[in-house]
Amino acid sequence: SYELTQPPSVSVSPGQTARITCSGDALPKKYAYWYQQKSGQAPVLVIYEDSKRPSGIPERFSGSSSGTMATLTISGAQVEDEADYYCYSTDSSGNHSWVFGGGTKLTVL
Amino acid sequence: EVQLVQSGAEVKKPGESLKISCKGSGYSFTSYWIGWVRQMPGKGLEWMGIIYPGDSDTRYSPSFQGQVTISADKSISTAYLQWSSLKASDTAMYYCARLVASGWLDYWGQGTLVTVSS
Repeated sequence: SYELTQPPSVSVSPGQTARITCSGDALPKKYAYWYQQKSGQAPVLVIYEDSKRPSGIPERFSGSSSGTMATLTISGAQVEDEADYYCYSTDSSGNHSWVFGGGTKLTVL
Repeated sequence: EVQLVQSGAEVKKPGESLKISCKGSGYSFTSYWIGWVRQMPGKGLEWMGIIYPGDSDTRYSPSFQGQVTISADKSISTAYLQWSSLKASDTAMYYCARLVASGWLDYWGQGTLVTVSS
């Protein structure tokens, strides 16, 4: 079955840029989406269709995709950005089947 | 306002059956797919499957095919996730969420914690 691969953890100091990657064979043809999940809460979408930001999401969150890798960038990470981040996408089978990446724990301290 | 409200926490024994629910409001329930997502304790999100309440078309992740049943009752705007025989490994938080046309999940329920223990 299709898999999206993320690093288990990323750590930055406040104000630094955090980059979280997501690799998948279908990403050249399929959009990536990114969810933020803080402890004890439901996930929240922070990036859709590779690089678009939903209303209400701070401008420091951005996304990009090139080849088989999508990247979530948090420019000037804040302490409140500490959370788990998941990429989300679909394979190219057309079977309406979606998958999450394994998740990346972002530590900001 | 779009809302998905899930049923409350459950504590069950291995071998028991269970059906949890997700009630949608504030939008046309029959016009959007509803998905279910599992999160085991301390682990990541897992996409389980989806249902289109308009015609009950259902798709499952290969990992969950045959393990759970997803259904919906459009007359009461409610989707369901059910097990016929629970295992301890089914202990998890389960979320329902609404899919937009392109497949991503925009609105989420608050989650239902299922604990299976003897």
